[in-house]
Amino acid sequence: AQSVTQLDSQVPVFEEAPVELRCNYSSSVSVYLFWYVQYPNQGLQLLLKYLSGSTLVESINGFEAEFNKSQTSFHLRKPSVHISDTAEYFCAVSKETSGSRLTFGEGTQLTVNP
Amino acid sequence: DTGVSQNPRHKITKRGQNVTFRCDPISEHNRLYWYRQTLGQGPEFLTYFQNEAQLEKSRLLSDRFSAERPKGSFSTLEIQRTEQGDSAMYLCASSFPTGLTGELFFGEGSRLTVL
Repeated sequence: AQSVTQLDSQVPVFEEAPVELRCNYSSSVSVYLFWYVQYPNQGLQLLLKYLSGSTLVESINGFEAEFNKSQTSFHLRKPSVHISDTAEYFCAVSKETSGSRLTFGEGTQLTVNP
Repeated sequence: DTGVSQNPRHKITKRGQNVTFRCDPISEHNRLYWYRQTLGQGPEFLTYFQNEAQLEKSRLLSDRFSAERPKGSFSTLEIQRTEQGDSAMYLCASSFPTGLTGELFFGEGSRLTVL
């Protein structure tokens, strides 16, 4: 079975500062990796994903994540955050053969302060 | 709105009562998932359907829980004899037929409070 560990439950930062949300996973088989975001009072939305190919993946709103197989990590980064990035971020994995059955981490609450 | 729709959004019930939640997925999606999320935790997988077939159930899904998707469109999740430990947000998601892209489209959830 696979598991996901998000190392920080809360990350407070100031606007325009860089941020890194850490995610480590464990699995005995190849996995797909995802970051989902949940804005206040909204459903979970896919932010970005790694399926294959380039290990650096980007979202349309400036986030990026790098798949590091040797360290079994998929950390999420943004060089300059905005107040609107305040949300809960969930890292998730699925096995290649699991039919999109996702295993989520416990989430990281990112709070961007002015 | 053509997203995943869940009803009711909030349900307060007394211990021992039965509750039912409904999920309407995005119309062209044939996979439908139920997750449960408690405060401070990530979503936990409960079960999923491909069309009307229930393909996998988590051990979290006790005998008091039953999910159906009779015509391969909407789905219901029923909890019988509710317990206070059932209080949680119940999330529904759907995905495209191949399912291999990993993108699940989530509804806003149905929050259950058991008194």
